[in-house]
Amino acid sequence: EAGVAQSPRYKIIEKRQSVAFWCNPISGHATLYWYQQILGQGPKLLIQFQNNGVVDDSQLPKDRFSAERLKGVDSTLKIQPAKLEDSAVYLCASSFLGDEDTQYFGPGTRLTVL
Amino acid sequence: SQQGEEDPQALSIQEGENATMNCSYKTSINNLQWYRQNSGRGLVHLILIRSNEREKHSGRLRVTLDTSKKSSSLLITASRAADTASYFCATGGNNRLAFGKGNQVVVIP
Repeated sequence: EAGVAQSPRYKIIEKRQSVAFWCNPISGHATLYWYQQILGQGPKLLIQFQNNGVVDDSQLPKDRFSAERLKGVDSTLKIQPAKLEDSAVYLCASSFLGDEDTQYFGPGTRLTVL
Repeated sequence: SQQGEEDPQALSIQEGENATMNCSYKTSINNLQWYRQNSGRGLVHLILIRSNEREKHSGRLRVTLDTSKKSSSLLITASRAADTASYFCATGGNNRLAFGKGNQVVVIP
């Protein structure tokens, strides 16, 4: 069974630039999550989708971060403009509807903002 | 906000020794989970213990849960070099997970 796919694996940009990350969840998983993991800390939930609808985006810095899951499958997370403090690993996870306690994580995208 | 807090933050042990990590949390939970993260890789689910369970085993892993103290422990027995990783606890409830800060475990061959 294919796992959660993410790309790119690494990205280096300068502050004030834009960046986008892509995630393809496990087939059949209706729920998709984006987490931010700053070095030395645990993952922090940014946004949770159920199919193509947003369930929770309370911790998403909406002035610069946006995410979409238009067809209820793949998702993109965008940062515009990036700040130095956005340097982190961005993890995507997915789960079956109704089993949100069992999440499967992708390898993450490591973002460095210079 | 981060729900769990692990203690200790960093642990260095010899191969073959046991490693114990603790996690505390603040609110009521449905379950508590432990994850492993190897350097540069995603999170791997290790074990889940439900709020009505007190102890659970999986291979060399043993997890305990004390809901009265709002704490959990993860024991890795007979550690191996491949166990070198960061370990995170995460509390489950309200259809979401809240992660702690993590423990860095180094197993010296």
